[in-house]
Amino acid sequence: GAVVSQHPSWVICKSGTSVKIECRSLDFQATTMFWYRQFPKQSLMLMATSNEGSKATYEQGVEKDKFLINHASLTLSTLTVTSAHPEDSSFYICSAPPGRSRSEAFFGQGTRLTVV
Amino acid sequence: GDSVTQMEGPVTLSEEAFLTINCTYTATGYPSLFWYVQYPGEGLQLLLKATKADDKGSNKGFEATYRKETTSFHLEKGSVQVSDSAVYFCALNLVTGNQFYFGTGTSLTVIP
Repeated sequence: GAVVSQHPSWVICKSGTSVKIECRSLDFQATTMFWYRQFPKQSLMLMATSNEGSKATYEQGVEKDKFLINHASLTLSTLTVTSAHPEDSSFYICSAPPGRSRSEAFFGQGTRLTVV
Repeated sequence: GDSVTQMEGPVTLSEEAFLTINCTYTATGYPSLFWYVQYPGEGLQLLLKATKADDKGSNKGFEATYRKETTSFHLEKGSVQVSDSAVYFCALNLVTGNQFYFGTGTSLTVIP
């Protein structure tokens, strides 16, 4: 069945470096991907909507220059955390919403980012 | 605004115990309600859903009923197994294809 593959599942990086998280739709195409973030003891919150062929739309309070989203193809969306800081440490997860070939949303495995 | 409040964990139960995870919501429209489960190392998977008031979603022995009068969608299972150990997320969705609003997630550990 339809699957969303997200990599890496966990990453530790130094402050000031950049980290790229990939989200791939396997055996289906996704023109839209959602990126969520979860801080400890808080809900998964929508960060941005990734749109193939156009700019991503960001939720209020999310810095678009810090969280770069690229939806390069119908099967790949990437989130790059630039100049990471410890406060960016969080759980990030992507999701493909229902579409023509699927009646439900599919989620990646999530990425646990720790910035030291 | 739209939001989901979910019972905090972690929850630890013995095998065959009864499980309830509370979930209440606030929504401006008429949402669909979901429970997702995340097993270790895997993505969120749809466990069950209900799209209108009084609907009951069920799957793998889990049930949840969409209660509009109490704005709730509590998850229940009569007899949990070790294999049910996972994180459970309650969520709502106002428009199919749009974003979800999630609760904080509840970690469940079932011990033999």
